[in-house]
Order: sequence, then structure tokens, then C-alpha cells
Amino acid sequence: GAVVSQHPSWVICKSGTSVKIECRSLDFQATTMFWYRQFPKQSLMLMATSNEGSKATYEQGVEKDKFLINHASLTLSTLTVTSAHPEDSSFYICSAGKRELGTDTQYFGPGTRLTVL
Amino acid sequence: KNEVEQSPQNLTAQEGEFITINCSYSVGISALHWLQQHPGGGIVSLFMLSSGKKKHGRLIATINIQEKHSSLHITASHPRDSAVYICAVRSVGADGLTFGKGTHLIIQP
Repeated sequence: GAVVSQHPSWVICKSGTSVKIECRSLDFQATTMFWYRQFPKQSLMLMATSNEGSKATYEQGVEKDKFLINHASLTLSTLTVTSAHPEDSSFYICSAGKRELGTDTQYFGPGTRLTVL
Repeated sequence: KNEVEQSPQNLTAQEGEFITINCSYSVGISALHWLQQHPGGGIVSLFMLSSGKKKHGRLIATINIQEKHSSLHITASHPRDSAVYICAVRSVGADGLTFGKGTHLIIQP
């Protein structure tokens, strides 16, 4: 199987603090990891695409200085929400890409619920 | 930008009924995913399709590339199937997915 974990599963923080979310592929090497965000009752939205050893590619409207992504190894990507504000409260989900039988499949993490007070 | 539309948005059915959820998209794709999201938020990937039809247990997914349309069917539905079902597409040349808004399915005993 292909398992992706996220840590923490939920976090509550004060406005102005920074929060780091980890995404790990546990039993495979993922050359590409994706970060998504989901606001209540809305669809998931791609925030950025992260390739190991290179800078992340951010979607339009996503501030790269606010959402710092580091993909230091083939099994770990981190998303840091810097100077978090209440409007950053959301459900953050990562996925990891794995090539199987010549096709790229994405496996999703369980998500991290961020609440900024 | 690919526009992904799902229907219906909400569906309540009785246990045992045959369920169909539809997804249409606007731009050519390299793959389409059907995902299941439970109330806690975690997402399970059900299918990835690029053509034809796939079956896994009581779940069947079909895709018509020419019509830019896919369907997810659930046979002999059960209350544990209650969840949000999400269609997501990977546009040609893109890596990330574009998601539909989801279909909130409730199966009543």
C-alpha cells in the first residue's frame, strides 16, 4: 500500500504565531507532493506543488512568503503558515505522488485542521 | 482552468438503493479521481481513471473522455457509504488536481 501521514492532525494557535505541518510518505518515495486547503463547505483548492530539492510552485493567489513549503527529502514535505491569522483557519491536506505502472497516482494524507484564534 | 461540476450536490437515499453521482469537466484531462471524504475530513482515494470503467467491490466508476463526463455508482448502498464524494481531475500538462465541490451522500437505514 501507499500511506501518507500528516502531523499534527489538528492545531490551535494564537494569531501571529507560525505553525508547521508535516507530510510524510511512509512506505514510498514521493518525488512530488501537493498541498491543498479546504475551507468549510467548499472544495479543496491546490495551494502549491512541491518537488524534492527544488522550490515549490505556488498557485495564483497563494502567498509564497506566508505559506513556506520545504521538500527536503523524498518522504517529507513541510508547510509552515507564518504569522497565522484567523482567516488562515482551514483544513490543510497534503498528497504524495507515486508512479505506478507508468501512471502517477496521488495518495492523500489525513489532513490537519488549523484554528487560529 | 478546468471547471469541474458535480451533481447532485446532496443526495439522501434508502439503504439498498443504487446510487449515481455525476461529474463533468471543461478541459481535457490526463486523469480523473473519485475521492471519499468522511466527516473528520480524511480523504480516501477510490478510483483513478483515464478511460473506460473500473470496479471495486460495490463501487463502479466510468469515464467518457469525448463527453468529458464521469459517473460513480454505488450498488446496494449502505449507511456506512454516507460521506462526501469528490471528483477531481488532472488537466493535461498539470500536476495538481482541480476538485469538484463534492456530493454529500446520506444513506438511511
